[in-house]
Amino acid sequence: DIQMTQSPSSLSASVGDRVSITCQASQDISDYLNWYQQKPGKAPNLLIYDASNLETGVPSRFSGSRSGTDFTFTISSLQPEDFATYYCQQYRNFPLTFGGGTKVEIK
Amino acid sequence: QVQLQESGPGLVKPSETLSLTCTVSGVSISRYYWGWIRQPPGKGLEWIGCIYTSGSTNYNPSLRSRVTISMDMSKNQFSLRLTSVTAADTAVYYCARVPGSIKGWFDPWGQGTLVTVSS
Repeated sequence: DIQMTQSPSSLSASVGDRVSITCQASQDISDYLNWYQQKPGKAPNLLIYDASNLETGVPSRFSGSRSGTDFTFTISSLQPEDFATYYCQQYRNFPLTFGGGTKVEIK
Repeated sequence: QVQLQESGPGLVKPSETLSLTCTVSGVSISRYYWGWIRQPPGKGLEWIGCIYTSGSTNYNPSLRSRVTISMDMSKNQFSLRLTSVTAADTAVYYCARVPGSIKGWFDPWGQGTLVTVSS
């Protein structure tokens, strides 16, 4: 199985801050990496697919990038509605696997 | 607009079978791939499996011996069966569309349904 190591597991930030989350794959997954946002009591919502493609309707303050097996998810200017948990997910191989999640909290 | 809705019992006894249905509206299930994902309370996401328009399936090896996913084209639904459940199967179960190729991203998701395994 491909392991997705996501860090940090949680972070505190203020509105307007630039926030970055990383996911490291245990082997090469090319660009087969997606990012989701999940708010309490709600289903995850796709934000970015194929490492850096913004899903339709998702604000441009969200972005994703790749360097080898390391993937970075960035919120350029944190907004109040962005406080949530974020997950990465690889689809290079079965079984599809998720990172452990990063909870973004208000400082 | 594609919408998914999970349904099924919220309480299942240990050793029994968990059965859930996902009803899809806004698109024919014959046009896409579909999946199930679960999330234990307070924990992360675990992929259960996917079903394809041909009816073929792919399952998480950790659950393969106990899981079956099927489709009912006439009802525009797909279903999950998980046998011999234990407390470790207590989770919110989500159904979702896989809009890309044979494997990819999940979008959209159903709202999820909590299934508790307890006697």
